[in-house]
Amino acid sequence: EAQVTQNPRYLITVTGKKLTVTCSQNMNHEYMSWYRQDPGLGLRQIYYSMNVEVTDKGDVPEGYKVSRKEKRNFPLILESPSPNQTSLYFCASSLRRAGRSSNEQFFGPGTRLTVL
Amino acid sequence: TQLLEQSPQFLSIQEGENLTVYCNSSSVFSSLQWYRQEPGEGPVLLVTVVTGGEVKKLKRLTFQFGDARKDSSLHITAAQPGDTGLYLCAGVDAPYNQGGKLIFGQGTELSVKP
Repeated sequence: EAQVTQNPRYLITVTGKKLTVTCSQNMNHEYMSWYRQDPGLGLRQIYYSMNVEVTDKGDVPEGYKVSRKEKRNFPLILESPSPNQTSLYFCASSLRRAGRSSNEQFFGPGTRLTVL
Repeated sequence: TQLLEQSPQFLSIQEGENLTVYCNSSSVFSSLQWYRQEPGEGPVLLVTVVTGGEVKKLKRLTFQFGDARKDSSLHITAAQPGDTGLYLCAGVDAPYNQGGKLIFGQGTELSVKP
């Protein structure tokens, strides 16, 4: 089954304790992205990757890191989490076909993070 | 910074009623997508509109892209409880193969009561 998986689905942690949220897709998509979703603010892009070893900042990258060593995986790293990073996080992937103005993004099920 | 203003943010209606959700911006988008999100899940694409003035229908849902490609609307006819969910519009600021990304509206939380 074509899908994007995220782990963990729920995480409660404390300020300053490094954590990683994993994301994996089995659709051979070039493009992967991380978003955070907060009430009244919609989805905001944190980081994205156009392909292996190519990553770039989105709209709200402060406090986050990513890596793209393999095509299928795109982990999100919080080196020193703070309470303002409490949010619902989504990983997404899509193809990037030349000549197409847009491609469907496939989203993972989300990771609800609470930083105390 | 490009912004997409979505309205209304909350909508509670009775089964059988019609409704329209609006997505507006001062910026031009190369295309616009509508997603639906259910609790505990990620958004799922409903439709992509690309051409100014384009209208697409998906059963009881009608999507329209403004002539100037700055706004869009979603109209639901005879809403059903199964339509309940969060509806998100997302503008693509440039073709994907040129590095374009999605810019999301705040979302419309729709509740359809039996």
